[in-house]
Amino acid sequence: AQSVTQLGSHVSVSEGALVLLRCNYSSSVPPYLFWYVQYPNQGLQLLLKYTSAATLVKGINGFEAEFKKSETSFHLTKPSAHMSDAAEYFCAVSNQAGTALIFGKGTTLSVSS
Amino acid sequence: EAQVTQNPRYLITVTGKKLTVTCSQNMNHEYMSWYRQDPGLGLRQIYYSMNVEVTDKGDVPEGYKVSRKEKRNFPLILESPSPNQTSLYFCASSYSSGQETQYFGPGTRLLVL
Repeated sequence: AQSVTQLGSHVSVSEGALVLLRCNYSSSVPPYLFWYVQYPNQGLQLLLKYTSAATLVKGINGFEAEFKKSETSFHLTKPSAHMSDAAEYFCAVSNQAGTALIFGKGTTLSVSS
Repeated sequence: EAQVTQNPRYLITVTGKKLTVTCSQNMNHEYMSWYRQDPGLGLRQIYYSMNVEVTDKGDVPEGYKVSRKEKRNFPLILESPSPNQTSLYFCASSYSSGQETQYFGPGTRLLVL
């Protein structure tokens, strides 16, 4: 069965610093992988998704993620954090039947000035 | 504007009093789904629907019902709410399956006393 592990429930960075949010997945089939962001009191918004077209995926707001099959990882990065990036981030994988997203437990990103 | 709407956004109720949370999308999507979000657990799927009159259980369906009589609407019904159903609920939709980008509603925060 598919599963997702997000390492670190809380990540704190300074404004301008590199953002790295870690995600490892387990899947018995080629995965469809997603990163979503949730701002306070809002729904989830898609940041980016991997569907096997390219291993380096660029998303919105300067975020990108690299699919590494050998490491079963899909870490999210941004070169320079901005205060507006403070939010909760979820990594997700589509289940094998294609009927649901399996979410990680989320990582809260704090950005300090 | 393409969107998923949910009503109500906030609800306080008492144990055993039936309630319905509505979900509507204006993107002509075939797939719709309900998730609940709990601290430290991420999002978990309650029910999903692949098309009109086609619904199935997700990972945590106990205590919930759904219906899909029209393509745009997918209400979530709690016939006898209990305190363990206190949670944040999200409706989502996508073009045809759970492998595609899912668009999320703003969420419904439910408190069952």
